Amino acid sequence: DAGITQSPRHKVTETGTPVTLRCHQTENHRYMYWYRQDPGHGLRLIHYSYGVKDTDKGEVSDGYSVSRSKTEDFLLTLESATSSQTSVYFCAISEQGSHEQYFGPGTRLTVT
Amino acid sequence: GQNIDQPTEMTATEGAIVQINCTYQTSGFNGLFWYQQHAGEAPTFLSYNVLDGLEEKGRFSSFLSRSKGYSYLLLKELQMKDSASYLCAVKDSGAGSYQLTFGKGTKLSVIP
Repeated sequence: DAGITQSPRHKVTETGTPVTLRCHQTENHRYMYWYRQDPGHGLRLIHYSYGVKDTDKGEVSDGYSVSRSKTEDFLLTLESATSSQTSVYFCAISEQGSHEQYFGPGTRLTVT
Repeated sequence: GQNIDQPTEMTATEGAIVQINCTYQTSGFNGLFWYQQHAGEAPTFLSYNVLDGLEEKGRFSSFLSRSKGYSYLLLKELQMKDSASYLCAVKDSGAGSYQLTFGKGTKLSVIP
């Protein structure tokens, strides 16, 4: 299995609070992604990174920001959490020239 | 943009063969993926097709027809552990060529 960890694995937070999710990889892969997965929607791309300090928006980026200061870490921040951001968040990585994306174990976030 | 359709749910009998279809309409195409996702777990890579035809990998095979915007995943000799969701995903071409767009997934239930 690819070395990807996510923290925390579960979090409950209140509406309006900031939340940061961390994705850490030990594979030295160039590309990193944040997805959310909701019933009836499947996996949707939030943001992605194609290198250190190089990031761009995905399909559902509103309300989210990201940062990547090191190859191994990709942070997803909800500046002010809303109930619509209750979801399971998956991080994924891939290497340039490779077709596969490897997924982390996921973070279940509940915003009350 | 991308539009990907696959059946929501399917049921099949242990030992049988099942075919899960996926159709797509895309502005660019650079390959089609199938992922398996057991409940509460991360998606794992099954197959990748970029050229027309059938790719076989053990009990699993994947077919692609680019002219028809159609793919299927064929699972043979079904086992109970094959009960999972199967996600079809399309890789874009051009500037976003490392991004995947996922269908909503097909939940397969294997019954004795």
